[in-house]
Amino acid sequence: DTAVSQTPKYLVTQMGNDKSIKCEQNLGHDTMYWYKQDSKKFLKIMFSYNNKELIINETVPNRFSPKSPDKAHLNLHINSLELGDSAVYFCASSQTTGELFFGEGSRLTVL
Amino acid sequence: GENVEQHPSTLSVQEGDSAVIKCTYSDSASNYFPWYKQELGKRPQLIIDIRSNVGEKKDQRIAVTLNKTAKHFSLHITETQPEDSAVYFCAARSGNNNAGNMLTFGGGTRLMVKP
Repeated sequence: DTAVSQTPKYLVTQMGNDKSIKCEQNLGHDTMYWYKQDSKKFLKIMFSYNNKELIINETVPNRFSPKSPDKAHLNLHINSLELGDSAVYFCASSQTTGELFFGEGSRLTVL
Repeated sequence: GENVEQHPSTLSVQEGDSAVIKCTYSDSASNYFPWYKQELGKRPQLIIDIRSNVGEKKDQRIAVTLNKTAKHFSLHITETQPEDSAVYFCAARSGNNNAGNMLTFGGGTRLMVKP
């Protein structure tokens, strides 16, 4: 069983479109995250969500919005996609102060 | 918020040599410092971590040291092997509850071990 799974693994779309990436964890963790990894491999935190509180990195454009239907899921919605949004997006989860487990990543390409 | 600097950005060593990667952090409230290894096309995976109440931790060929006063920590890999080639990330997590348990990552070090 995959601990943190995200879909789709690859996503190619046109500028201006709206897209979503789904994430699920079966580890019973209380906190989930979205990270963006750009072409230079920098890993930047976008959101942290622990079922009570959403923490947003202030540098993230409001075109990005996380949605959590329940504790095991944290989906990422992106509106009006731009070329600069092309990156690998990693979902992750942890138990409050424990180890961070990453999903396999979703490579988004905006044309 | 937390800021983590990592050096060097690339490191090339001969098989069998040691490799050292260094990181500094800015938030004195940070209390958890993991290191992740990311192979090409794969997800980052934890290789070792250290908490602020410990100065050093070792796991086989890998060791991490932490200097809380100076706010820096380092990864040491001894007897490097070609399969150690990857991008390594340091990270820091603040003990501040308002930080949302987020890990802030350094910029990464691409380690190349030449056979």
